Amino acid sequence: GIQVEQSPPDLILQEGANSTLRCNFSDSVNNLQWFHQNPWGQLINLFYIPSGTKQNGRLSATTVATERYSLLYISSSQTTDSGVYFCAVGGGGSTLGRLYFGRGTQLTVWP
Amino acid sequence: EAGVTQFPSHSVIEKGQTVTLRCDPISGHDNLYWYRRVMGKEIKFLLHFVKESKQDESGMPNNRFLAERTGGTYSTLKVQPAELEDSGVYFCASSLGTRVYFGPGTRLLVL
Repeated sequence: GIQVEQSPPDLILQEGANSTLRCNFSDSVNNLQWFHQNPWGQLINLFYIPSGTKQNGRLSATTVATERYSLLYISSSQTTDSGVYFCAVGGGGSTLGRLYFGRGTQLTVWP
Repeated sequence: EAGVTQFPSHSVIEKGQTVTLRCDPISGHDNLYWYRRVMGKEIKFLLHFVKESKQDESGMPNNRFLAERTGGTYSTLKVQPAELEDSGVYFCASSLGTRVYFGPGTRLLVL
């Protein structure tokens, strides 16, 4: 399967700081999604971004498919941003939902 | 619109017992997936339904696991007999197109 590596594994920030999370993957993909797992364990879909750049409020993501990496930017972080951020990749068509996950970045935002 | 729901939220059973997990996808989503995360490992794909048909079950660990999706609506995942290594969080997800939406997971502990 596709190998997914996320960095850093842990990140501790003070409220208001900015951060960049990285996801490298080992093969060409047609599907890349970022998820946030909140402290209650719920996986929230942040972005579907197999290529290009998207923004949603304080979050934005960029995927450079030709170089096999994606970045998730969090600006002006808040305590509610805490949790684990997962990058997941996969193919397209009938395998669209078969995702390979990285181990995640554990983000802790202190007030 | 209701999200993906899973039942139970937690289950504690003894080795050798049977457990059945239930997933209700988002209404209208033909694609339904099961994933699991065992302690310290990545979230891994188990199988994929399109309506009531198994599209891909290559991630199922062994024949102690049986998934069904009668009528193409809700799905069940049965583990029989459960072993200690089956402990973990079992996620269900559904999709209509590109974005995949996860349920809150069922935390299974086998003693």
